[in-house]
Amino acid sequence: GESVGLHLPTLSVQEGDNSIINCAYSNSASDYFIWYKQESGKGPQFIIDIRSNMDKRQGQRVTVLLNKTVKHLSLQIAATQPGDSAVYFCAENQGAQKLVFGQGTRLTINP
Amino acid sequence: NAGVTQTPKFQVLKTGQSMTLQCAQDMNHEYMSWYRQDPGMGLRLIHYSVGAGITDQGEVPNGYNVSRSTTEDFPLRLLSAAPSQTSVYFCASSPAGANTGELFFGEGSRLTVL
Repeated sequence: GESVGLHLPTLSVQEGDNSIINCAYSNSASDYFIWYKQESGKGPQFIIDIRSNMDKRQGQRVTVLLNKTVKHLSLQIAATQPGDSAVYFCAENQGAQKLVFGQGTRLTINP
Repeated sequence: NAGVTQTPKFQVLKTGQSMTLQCAQDMNHEYMSWYRQDPGMGLRLIHYSVGAGITDQGEVPNGYNVSRSTTEDFPLRLLSAAPSQTSVYFCASSPAGANTGELFFGEGSRLTVL
């Protein structure tokens, strides 16, 4: 069964605001998570990853937070831009590059 | 670099027909995989390969065959298409031993089975 799931299927934010996309997982032994972005008509694109020995990891305008106590992770996008419109997936890496994806959150940017 | 190339981009089949989705990568990646994506859902792993001559099943392998005779190519075969196989198929690759979970995905092949 599904080991990762997203909280909201859609999220709408104003341009320039921060976006927070949430994801929960069920297996407390899971130790490696990845966020992907999928634009319409394209394949998923890697954004950022985090391992269970970390609580937070930052990239360019993105931050991933991992709370192992409640089995929750989030992707924060700072100063959201129109180009951030996409579907965002969290995924668990189960080794040998095998990924288990959540259902995705569609992020819509309002001007 | 072309990256991961999938052909065809679109295909319509009748129930019972067979076809092969092609996938090629020019990055010399050891790992390759096939995922399917149904509407409103995340991707699910069909088959994967950790190197030439080695393949293994993923979460939803039934109805699909794969082979890996070269590092570059990883075709996905549907032997007898069924309407339940209507989906968008993504091929992905990655280097073995990489310290990230980054898979490089193709643009997808949209398959409709009537």
